Amino acid sequence: NAGVTQTPKFRILKIGQSMTLQCTQDMNHNYMYWYRQDPGMGLKLIYYSVGAGITDKGEVPNGYNVSRSTTEDFPLRLELAAPSQTSVYFCASSSGQFTGNTIYFGEGSWLTVV
Amino acid sequence: AQSVTQLDSHVSVSEGTPVLLRCNYSSSYSPSLFWYVQHPNKGLQLLLKYTSAATLVKGINGFEAEFKKSETSFHLTKPSAHMSDAAEYFCVVSDTGGFKTIFGAGTRLFVKA
Repeated sequence: NAGVTQTPKFRILKIGQSMTLQCTQDMNHNYMYWYRQDPGMGLKLIYYSVGAGITDKGEVPNGYNVSRSTTEDFPLRLELAAPSQTSVYFCASSSGQFTGNTIYFGEGSWLTVV
Repeated sequence: AQSVTQLDSHVSVSEGTPVLLRCNYSSSYSPSLFWYVQHPNKGLQLLLKYTSAATLVKGINGFEAEFKKSETSFHLTKPSAHMSDAAEYFCVVSDTGGFKTIFGAGTRLFVKA
């Protein structure tokens, strides 16, 4: 039971480079999310999706893009990486928006922009 | 508007002693409340959740939390700490009024031998 799988686990980027964080889930969840976690802070929502073909901005979307072509996959793209994007990124999914839905998390991707 | 406040950024206990991690919330609607645990270099794992059923919620690894509406609190407790409990703990509030899930800043639990 893989759950939520995200890759890569670690990555160092130079300023101005681009990259994509991959995320896939095998639980047939409609809802998927990308969060970032900065030291001493809670998770901040970057983007979310309520189903294939539908995405929306979260709290901190600037500098990122997402797509959702299938139910399983929800990649996060960083264009023109900046040091402020150094963070730990978590992909997550849940079965719905309704009260009490558990959010399942991937193991995180540590990104450093230098 | 929703918010969640974890009252302690760090908590240190000795092994075998009780654990108390404090969380206060505010929500315009009937909230769902969660506690997640994050071990070093790992993703977040659900410990327990409250969804308007019993106010005392039991979770995994001996943890439990009590929803107190009058105090707007959802504190996490465990009778006896174990070394493996050392981790970061997040209190989370989810609002039925719309797509809103707010994470607390986290409480780092240290367990001394």
